[in-house]
Amino acid sequence: AQSVTQLDSQVPVFEEAPVELRCNYSSSVSVYLFWYVQYPNQGLQLLLKYLSGSTLVKGINGFEAEFNKSQTSFHLRKPSVHISDTAEYFCAVSVIGSGAQKLVFGQGTRLTINP
Amino acid sequence: KAGVTQTPRYLIKTRGQQVTLSCSPISGHRSVSWYQQTPGQGLQFLFEYFSETQRNKGNFPGRFSGRQFSNSRSEMNVSTLELGDSALYLCASSLRQEASDTQYFGPGTRLTVL
Repeated sequence: AQSVTQLDSQVPVFEEAPVELRCNYSSSVSVYLFWYVQYPNQGLQLLLKYLSGSTLVKGINGFEAEFNKSQTSFHLRKPSVHISDTAEYFCAVSVIGSGAQKLVFGQGTRLTINP
Repeated sequence: KAGVTQTPRYLIKTRGQQVTLSCSPISGHRSVSWYQQTPGQGLQFLFEYFSETQRNKGNFPGRFSGRQFSNSRSEMNVSTLELGDSALYLCASSLRQEASDTQYFGPGTRLTVL
């Protein structure tokens, strides 16, 4: 079975400061990795995903994430946040070769940007 | 292209009733998945449909069921509602049934069970 741990349930930062949201996963098989964002009263939107190749993945809205296989981590970063980045962020995995769309999500990290 | 639409957006039911939620995927998408989101359990996979067939099912009781129609639209049904079924139900669609495919989520249906 797969599991995803988001190490921080809440992260408060000041506007224009850098931020890192941490994600670790556990799986006995290879997985694809995803970061999704959920704005208030909305569904989830894909920020970025790691399938293969370069371990540094760039996504939308200036976000990037680095896949570290040895540490089974996929941390999300942004060098300078804006008020509009206030949202909940979810890390997720799916099993490679499973033929299944099933995503296993972490518990989420609520990012709050203070002016 | 229009995004994933879910109806209704909000629903209030009482214990013991049943409910049907509807999801229209992005045009051309053939795979539809359903997730339940609650403050306590987070986001949990319910089931996945592709070509009108349920391909995968999460760890939910048999009261939760679904189906997919030939136009890829999907419905999920919950019978004999319990208080714990109060949640945001999210539908997601993707082009193919591949683990690497991006899932596009709808805004959800918020179900409240009284």
